[in-house]
Amino acid sequence: DTEVTQTPKHLVMGMTNKKSLKCEQHMGHRAMYWYKQKAKKPPELMFVYSYEKLSINESVPSRFSPECPNSSLLNLHLHALQPEDSALYLCASSQDSSDTQYFGPGTRLTVL
Amino acid sequence: SQQGEEDPQALSIQEGENATMNCSYKTSINNLQWYRQNSGRGLVHLILIRSNEREKHSGRLRVTLDTSKKSSSLLITASRAADTASYFCATASWDNFNKFYFGSGTKLNVKP
Repeated sequence: DTEVTQTPKHLVMGMTNKKSLKCEQHMGHRAMYWYKQKAKKPPELMFVYSYEKLSINESVPSRFSPECPNSSLLNLHLHALQPEDSALYLCASSQDSSDTQYFGPGTRLTVL
Repeated sequence: SQQGEEDPQALSIQEGENATMNCSYKTSINNLQWYRQNSGRGLVHLILIRSNEREKHSGRLRVTLDTSKKSSSLLITASRAADTASYFCATASWDNFNKFYFGSGTKLNVKP
């Protein structure tokens, strides 16, 4: 199984809402990632988890809060987002931090 | 982007022709990877080339790496309409905790 799954596929939320994005992989990978991608731009790294511990935070605003409940799951909790946070949010995983990253299909987020 | 650029930004060819995309980067790397992204969807890993390798092949794909020029190229031979997508290179460096930095991407359109 080389699949990374993400839910939901689409999410529309208001600026006062609290929502969560979920990511799951069953490949036994020890590193998991969140990326943000704006239209016609490359993905930009947000967070890296290695062995269930946050190892990299690319100066992401605190309204984005990652969580890694176990080695297969990665969440991104969203609170008080801004319209400019609307983007495609991609999750990825890899065997270790130097290996190929496998991406999920993404969650298309719209903040009204 | 943080690491480098890709050119051309857009490429339109006829089915059956070859497509060449170039990627330049700024710092020393451990490996360079190429990904494909169909419109608004997740990224699919195509090929990984390590810093001590100069060329790799995978099916209709050929990747070269010139570390002295800090550049890589992706050649797709005998292109098909299904190859229409955006193509990104991504670099990882031990100096940067193996964080992935994506190039700006090349949008390939293969006309049937």
